[in-house]
Amino acid sequence: GAVVSQHPSWVICKSGTSVKIECRSLDFQATTMFWYRQFPKQSLMLMATSNEGSKATYEQGVEKDKFLINHASLTLSTLTVTSAHPEDSSFYICSVGGHTDTQYFGPGTRLTVL
Amino acid sequence: RKEVEQDPGPFNVPEGATVAFNCTYSNSASQSFFWYRQDCRKEPKLLMSVYSSGNEDGRFTAQLNRASQYISLLIRDSKLSDSATYLCVVNRRGSARQLTFGSGTQLTVLP
Repeated sequence: GAVVSQHPSWVICKSGTSVKIECRSLDFQATTMFWYRQFPKQSLMLMATSNEGSKATYEQGVEKDKFLINHASLTLSTLTVTSAHPEDSSFYICSVGGHTDTQYFGPGTRLTVL
Repeated sequence: RKEVEQDPGPFNVPEGATVAFNCTYSNSASQSFFWYRQDCRKEPKLLMSVYSSGNEDGRFTAQLNRASQYISLLIRDSKLSDSATYLCVVNRRGSARQLTFGSGTQLTVLP
């Protein structure tokens, strides 16, 4: 399967700051990447679908101006949490779609907003 | 009704036990079905896809019943290393590539 990396693996920031998370597909050219969020003891919730060279598609209830997604190349998508607040603290995970419906996940980024 | 519903768990079983997880999905048009495994504070990893005819991978057997919109996972001869949360995953309504995750069932295999 595809190898996916994320950076950073964890980040702690102050309320009001912005945080950028990178998702890289290391061995697969990904026209589509997905961004998920997982709160403690809950399942993954899809936030947005990132499309290379075009605008991301956001799920209902996810603010596009708060969670900025850029997918400028076939191997890199970034998620920027703008003006982060404590309620944004979560585990953010990206995934890459394989040749079938399978998805391969990055190791995740744990965000803590103080 | 949630799109994907799973046994709430947790399941605590002794080593060597057989354990079964159940899952139901609401979208009859769903085409792709998976079981993922997630360890604590880690990303989900694909355990196996689920096919209409049922499929087996070593100690793991997955079954799909499209008429009942029901998916199952059977783990035989459970090992300590099987302890994890098992996620039932279905492709979303109208989209072959977007997945919907169940809330997961936590399994702890005890020595």
